[in-house]
Amino acid sequence: QKEVEQDPGPLSVPEGAIVSLNCTYSNSAFQYFMWYRQYSRKGPELLMYTYSSGNKEDGRFTAQVDKSSKYISLFIRDSQPSDSATYLCAMSAVRAGSYQLTFGKGTKLSVIP
Amino acid sequence: EPEVTQTPSHQVTQMGQEVILRCVPISNHLYFYWYRQILGQKVEFLVSFYNNEISEKSEIFDDQFSVERPDGSNFTLKIRSTKLEDSAMYFCASSEEGGAKNIQYFGAGTRLSVL
Repeated sequence: QKEVEQDPGPLSVPEGAIVSLNCTYSNSAFQYFMWYRQYSRKGPELLMYTYSSGNKEDGRFTAQVDKSSKYISLFIRDSQPSDSATYLCAMSAVRAGSYQLTFGKGTKLSVIP
Repeated sequence: EPEVTQTPSHQVTQMGQEVILRCVPISNHLYFYWYRQILGQKVEFLVSFYNNEISEKSEIFDDQFSVERPDGSNFTLKIRSTKLEDSAMYFCASSEEGGAKNIQYFGAGTRLSVL
């Protein structure tokens, strides 16, 4: 079983739609969760960071974590064409000296004007 | 806004040659990382570096790879004898702290093409 599963899409939505992106994970040691956005041939850009179950909101973005189900989500409200990118979930464990991020494969999102 | 910078943006090399990929982490950050992303695949962790030594490395990071912080600003990844399968995007990242505040910021990457 892969540590982090993420539907690669592609996902195509009309401008203004609400987008839901999801990841599941199997490793209970993962305690910190991030969402990165990656434009073509660019580096991952941090969008959201959270470490507790529940919701965290930042503008049009909401990150949701359900540790009991090992499931995280990113919601994008009022999606814009500029949101078109690949969205990567990433997570890290709580282990002394271990700070590596484990990534999902990424979901490619296209927002159509 | 501070950012991680990587050079070169694209490196082409012949199989068996040595390459050095360079990174300038964010200036007050203390933890440094290299990741790679083979085309169409996940971003994969290679190595983390703190206090002038490797703190963790993955199975990918074998004897062909090495990292160095030659001065107060640069962080390098050396691949001693490149193989075709080393062709990938290589990302450098840095974070201010480890543990709970391990928020990693990535550079734009170096695309390595091994011919």
